[in-house]
Amino acid sequence: GAVVSQHPSWVICKSGTSVKIECRSLDFQATTMFWYRQFPKQSLMLMATSNEGSKATYEQGVEKDKFLINHASLTLSTLTVTSAHPEDSSFYICSARESDRGYGYTFGSGTRLTVV
Amino acid sequence: GDSVTQMEGPVTLSEEAFLTINCTYTATGYPSLFWYVQYPGEGLQLLLKATKADDKGSNKGFEATYRKETTSFHLEKGSVQVSDSAVYFCALNWPGGTSYGKLTFGQGTILTVHP
Repeated sequence: GAVVSQHPSWVICKSGTSVKIECRSLDFQATTMFWYRQFPKQSLMLMATSNEGSKATYEQGVEKDKFLINHASLTLSTLTVTSAHPEDSSFYICSARESDRGYGYTFGSGTRLTVV
Repeated sequence: GDSVTQMEGPVTLSEEAFLTINCTYTATGYPSLFWYVQYPGEGLQLLLKATKADDKGSNKGFEATYRKETTSFHLEKGSVQVSDSAVYFCALNWPGGTSYGKLTFGQGTILTVHP
């Protein structure tokens, strides 16, 4: 079946540095990718939707300059957390959808980010 | 806006017990409804779905029926196994329009099944 590989699975960084998270669709072309954030004991919150070759669409309240999303190819989307602060510590999950897969969203395994 | 509310966990059961995880939603209209499962160390996987009222989704012994009267989509399984231990998420989305593809999730329910 469809597989989405997300890396790294966990990362610890210092305040003020930037962290890049990669999401790759391994056996299908992901025309649309979604980035979610999950706080402890809370739901997954959609951060942004990215379509290959175009700018990402951010949800209300998400800082586009802080969470940079690039979807340069049909198999790769990246989320860069710039100038990270402790409040950015969270669990980030990507999801990919192939153009004709209907409801077939495939999720990555998530990235645990800790900013110290 | 749309929202999904799940029963709070964690839920702890013995093997072969009956499982119910409640899920209700708030939305204008009739969205599509889903249950996703996340096993330890893995990504979310679609467990089952229903796209219209009175539809029943089923998979791996799990079932959920789309009830528009009560705006609910409760997950049930008659006899749970240790391997069912995971986090379960209820979610909704819209089949078209500007919200197409955006999933709105409940907060997740941790299920632990003991032998």
